Amino acid sequence: ILNVEQSPQSLHVQEGDSTNFTCSFPSSNFYALHWYRWETAKSPEALFVMTLNGDEKKKGRISATLNTKEGYSYLYIKGSQPEDSATYLCASVPTSGSRLTFGEGTQLTVNP
Amino acid sequence: EAQVTQNPRYLITVTGKKLTVTCSQNMNHEYMSWYRQDPGLGLRQIYYSMNVEVTDKGDVPEGYKVSRKEKRNFPLILESPSPNQTSLYFCASSPDRLFAEAFFGQGTRLTVV
Repeated sequence: ILNVEQSPQSLHVQEGDSTNFTCSFPSSNFYALHWYRWETAKSPEALFVMTLNGDEKKKGRISATLNTKEGYSYLYIKGSQPEDSATYLCASVPTSGSRLTFGEGTQLTVNP
Repeated sequence: EAQVTQNPRYLITVTGKKLTVTCSQNMNHEYMSWYRQDPGLGLRQIYYSMNVEVTDKGDVPEGYKVSRKEKRNFPLILESPSPNQTSLYFCASSPDRLFAEAFFGQGTRLTVV
């Protein structure tokens, strides 16, 4: 089983702060890295799927980078808003494409 | 509307009473999978299916069965539920394996007493 780790486990920030989280994953047999946003009582929703070393993706105030050689990805949120409060999950995909191996997530709380 | 639909959303049952959680997607996706979410353990894959009649075990398949007789449906079967299967379950689908994003159902919260 691949070991995907996320840090920090939880994070409290003030509205307007910028923040970032880390996802580390084994770089062997790697195909893709997924990021999901999971709000309480809802289902996880995809933010990004990245495959290439050096990939950078952006959606509004949220962006992500990928380093496949060293096995890590960063998720950045610029100017956090209370509606950004959620758990952010990353998951790696092997070359078979058969499974998502998730980290435990980073729980973000943005205080107004 | 493109979606993955799970039923039921909530279920309380007794040990040993067979149950099925249904999952249906309307996006013509080839890949479907089941996960369970437990505190401190994250989302773990139970079973997955690459296509009709093709299923395989994930990381925690013990105590579960699945079938994929039609492309759109992927039910999760607990033949003899036990309390350690109390969990939050998610079904997910993806167009072509997991090279693209997965779409998740709303979740089924199962309690086995």
